[in-house]
This record gives sequence, structure tokens and C-alpha cells, in this order.
Amino acid sequence: EPEVTQTPSHQVTQMGQEVILRCVPISNHLYFYWYRQILGQKVEFLVSFYNNEISEKSEIFDDQFSVERPDGSNFTLKIRSTKLEDSAMYFCASSGFLGQGVNEKLFFGSGTQLSVL
Amino acid sequence: DAKTTQPPSMDCAEGRAANLPCNHSTISGNEYVYWYRQIHSQGPQYIIHGLKNNETNEMASLIITEDRKSSTLILPHATLRDTAVYYCIVRVSYTGTASKLTFGTGTRLQVTL
Repeated sequence: EPEVTQTPSHQVTQMGQEVILRCVPISNHLYFYWYRQILGQKVEFLVSFYNNEISEKSEIFDDQFSVERPDGSNFTLKIRSTKLEDSAMYFCASSGFLGQGVNEKLFFGSGTQLSVL
Repeated sequence: DAKTTQPPSMDCAEGRAANLPCNHSTISGNEYVYWYRQIHSQGPQYIIHGLKNNETNEMASLIITEDRKSSTLILPHATLRDTAVYYCIVRVSYTGTASKLTFGTGTRLQVTL
């Protein structure tokens, strides 16, 4: 079965540094998402992306966050100036083929564990 | 999206059926019931979804009550690999736009020998 690929699996950074988390969604999927999960807490929605623009974003997704689809295969999440509270597992997801009509089945990657020191 | 209520934890013996309940008494007519699971901090995994009819796939069965106010996910022969947190999510199925899933705390299913 096709899968969403995320790199790196672990990222350690100093507070205030910029990080870029990378994702390769499933080929030909149209909808892209970032979620995060702080240790022991719920999976939280960050942002959704379709047709080269943000569809929806949560309160967590403030000006320090940005997403980009720089080419036909990658989807990135950038945190401009990391804070201690950004430490979490970040999951990328994708869904929806052209003509499929609905996009309910999200495929998630295995995540990037971000540790901010 | 309608709110869901799930028991925080359940146990099931390996080889037996695991029946995971979900209450969604405020569900609207155009809202679907989705089930995902998360195995030990891996990314969530889609299991099944339905609107009002019972559904079955290679992973599980979904039984939705006639009034649609509750549902049950059935894993017919649970294995140790089914130990995970199971999330019941209710939302409208959108077309032509990316839309979020809202995860609750789910049910932690422990399958034992």
C-alpha cells in the first residue's frame, strides 16, 4: 500500500532556531495536512492545504508556522523560531485523488519527533 | 462536528472479538462515523467509516444503530497487534476541500494473551 513518508524521524533543535519538517505525501493525493501530538496528549490538527493554499488552520498554527508545497512531491512545515512547547510528534497526512469526490480517508506518516532544547 | 464519547480503556483476550462502543447522540443527518487507530505513537491509521448502514472491510466491522446515536467497531478476532488507541470521529464528509479530523482521547484497547 502507498504510504506517506516523513523526514527526519527525529529532530533536535535549540530554542529560537528554525526547523523544517518534510513530508512526501502519497502520489496524486490532493489534500495535505499537518497534525501534532505532545507526549501523552491528543492528536491535534494544525493545518490543511489544498490547491496550493491553506484550507484551514488551528489556533496553534500562528505566524511562527508556515507550510509549503515547493514542488509536485514534497510538503513541508516550517517553524520559524522554535519554542520549548513546540516539542511534539508531528504527523503529515494526505488524502483524496482527483475525481474521487470525497476525501475522508486520511493516510498518516509515521511522524517526526521534534525536541526543542 | 458532533461530539463523541468513548470508554477510556478496554481489555480483550486474543482471538476474541473486540467490541468498541461510541456514543454520538448529537450526530446530524449528513455526518459520517469514522474510526481510526493509533498504535503506540505511530501515525493514526484509518479503519472504516459509515453513514447509516453497517460496513465491513478487511480490518473491521462497523455497526451503526438505527437512530445513528451510537456505533460499535468490531474487530472479529483481536490479536496482540490490535493493541492501540481507537478513535471514533464524527464529521461531515467534504468534497473539494481539505477538512480536518478532530481526535478525542479515544479508547485504549489492550489485547492480552
